[in-house]
Amino acid sequence: DTGVSQNPRHKITKRGQNVTFRCDPISEHNRLYWYRQTLGQGPEFLTYFQNEAQLEKSRLLSDRFSAERPKGSFSTLEIQRTEQGDSAMYLCAGTANTEAFFGQGTRLTVV
Amino acid sequence: GIQVEQSPPDLILQEGANSTLRCNFSDSVNNLQWFHQNPWGQLINLFYIPSGTKQNGRLSATTVATERYSLLYISSSQTTDSGVYFCAASSGNTPLVFGKGTRLSVIA
Repeated sequence: DTGVSQNPRHKITKRGQNVTFRCDPISEHNRLYWYRQTLGQGPEFLTYFQNEAQLEKSRLLSDRFSAERPKGSFSTLEIQRTEQGDSAMYLCAGTANTEAFFGQGTRLTVV
Repeated sequence: GIQVEQSPPDLILQEGANSTLRCNFSDSVNNLQWFHQNPWGQLINLFYIPSGTKQNGRLSATTVATERYSLLYISSSQTTDSGVYFCAASSGNTPLVFGKGTRLSVIA
């Protein structure tokens, strides 16, 4: 158990709908990362937070994606107007500035 | 940014055999991790090893930071070792960058 929890584990949605994922790291994780992984590829960085501040966004993070980390605790990742190309595993990781620990991921399928 | 390359991309082993997975990175790093991704998609931490050598049971890892590579050794492989192994590295305060992984299949 890494201490990082993600919900839901699976999400099936129709194209055009909005979805929101949640990540709960442990309290010591001052940094929180979101990654996306498609079939046969390694995880790709999306965005990260240092406490509540969003410090970096990848070019992969289109304007349909938004992430928040209110109060520097849990984080949410929202995708608006989902497209079939958004189908992927979304992974969250927490770190206390050294080793990163990942949650179980949320597998999104857009139909 | 940093680039991470893993080899081989695929590896098939007979149970009981040993293997070496390689990770090359393009810049100096202050974080290097090896993960095993289970069939449900979760990344399991194997080693946090920006430099030096560590061992954990049948697994060991070595990172030679000055030559920009890391090796993961699996000895006496078991069918449960099957899956995808990822190397990820970062420098400074940048996010971890992952390689494309090595898919290991251990056959009984």
